[in-house]
Amino acid sequence: DGGITQSPKYLFRKEGQNVTLSCEQNLNHDAMYWYRQDPGQGLRLIYYSQIVNDFQKGDIAEGYSVSREKKESFPLTVTSAQKNPTAFYLCASSWDQVDGYTFGSGTRLTVV
Amino acid sequence: ILNVEQSPQSLHVQEGDSTNFTCSFPSSNFYALHWYRWETAKSPEALFVMTLNGDEKKKGRISATLNTKEGYSYLYIKGSQPEDSATYLCAFMDSSYKLIFGSGTRLLVRP
Repeated sequence: DGGITQSPKYLFRKEGQNVTLSCEQNLNHDAMYWYRQDPGQGLRLIYYSQIVNDFQKGDIAEGYSVSREKKESFPLTVTSAQKNPTAFYLCASSWDQVDGYTFGSGTRLTVV
Repeated sequence: ILNVEQSPQSLHVQEGDSTNFTCSFPSSNFYALHWYRWETAKSPEALFVMTLNGDEKKKGRISATLNTKEGYSYLYIKGSQPEDSATYLCAFMDSSYKLIFGSGTRLLVRP
């Protein structure tokens, strides 16, 4: 079955450590996205990529980095520069700009 | 940062009631409007993608309308069922192709 896999589901890290969240899709989608959700807020766009080897900053990119070396994969690194990294992170993909997004099941990151 | 507003924030209805939610978005540089359903412990699921002013879409008991000139969209659920309980998200896309989400309407349908 085609879909998006995010791993792990739960992640705990100590403050000051970088951590990488995995997102893999086998839908052959060109575009991939990372969103963050905080309690009481909507999904906020961190980074997005329309095509392999290219990506753009979203509205809250500070403290995050991404790579898009393969069509299937769009990992997100939460660096120590991110001031409030504890949140729920969702990855998504789509065929193009007018296609509905397909979402992964999310990773809940807790930094202690 | 663009603002997408959804109302109400939450809604409790009885099984069989019909209900509707509102999504307000900027009326300039419109490209597309998305609706998603997000059930607890699941991934958000796309309901509709609307691109033209006056668009109306329907999927079963759920339908949506779009007014790009005044910047709003309505989502209607006819004869709500307990399985309709979820958070309904709308998201606005402008010509930059970034999808900006509202904070959602939480619907609880009581049997």
